[in-house]
Amino acid sequence: QKEVEQNSGPLSVPEGAIASLNCTYSDRGSQSFFWYRQYSGKSPELIMFIYSNGDKEDGRFTAQLNKASQYVSLLIRDSQPSDSATYLCAVKADYGGSQGNLIFGKGTKLSVKP
Amino acid sequence: DVKVTQSSRYLVKRTGEKVFLECVQDMDHENMFWYRQDPGLGLRLIYFSYDVKMKEKGDIPEGYSVSREKKERFSLILESASTNQTSMYLCASTRFQASNQPQHFGDGTRLSIL
Repeated sequence: QKEVEQNSGPLSVPEGAIASLNCTYSDRGSQSFFWYRQYSGKSPELIMFIYSNGDKEDGRFTAQLNKASQYVSLLIRDSQPSDSATYLCAVKADYGGSQGNLIFGKGTKLSVKP
Repeated sequence: DVKVTQSSRYLVKRTGEKVFLECVQDMDHENMFWYRQDPGLGLRLIYFSYDVKMKEKGDIPEGYSVSREKKERFSLILESASTNQTSMYLCASTRFQASNQPQHFGDGTRLSIL
């Protein structure tokens, strides 16, 4: 059973701080990793994806991937109250017949306090 | 931008009714998915389809069926609605076996079965 694990939180950080969200996955063959943000009552929206070991930066967001440790993280710099949401980690295994299926973690709820 | 449109944001039905949830995407994606999302349980895959008239069971297909008569449209059917099918239903689409492509979600349908 392929699994994606996230700390459910809530993770509470003060405004302006760095929020660090973590995710581990069980399938060593996983190749593609995605972070989605989901506001309460809304649908998930993609904020970042990463395929290679190392860091990938996009504005205030940095995704970090370590395939040897089967670990992916999302850093949010200068956190704002508008970043308060649930963050979903999703992993795709690339093998014949995957048909684009993702395995989702249950999400980490982030609260940014003004 | 990818647009995934779900026919209803909110829907209230009665126990025993046959319920249709519709999803349309405008990016010629091959793969389409139906999930339900419940507090504490995360996103759970109900059914997916990788081509017209093709369908595959996900993790929780019981009590549901699907239809994909056209590439852009994927319908979820609750054959005889029950109260335990009250949930948020999310449709998603993605390119076929393209490892670097995320799933794009519709706005979701919050379904209540009375």
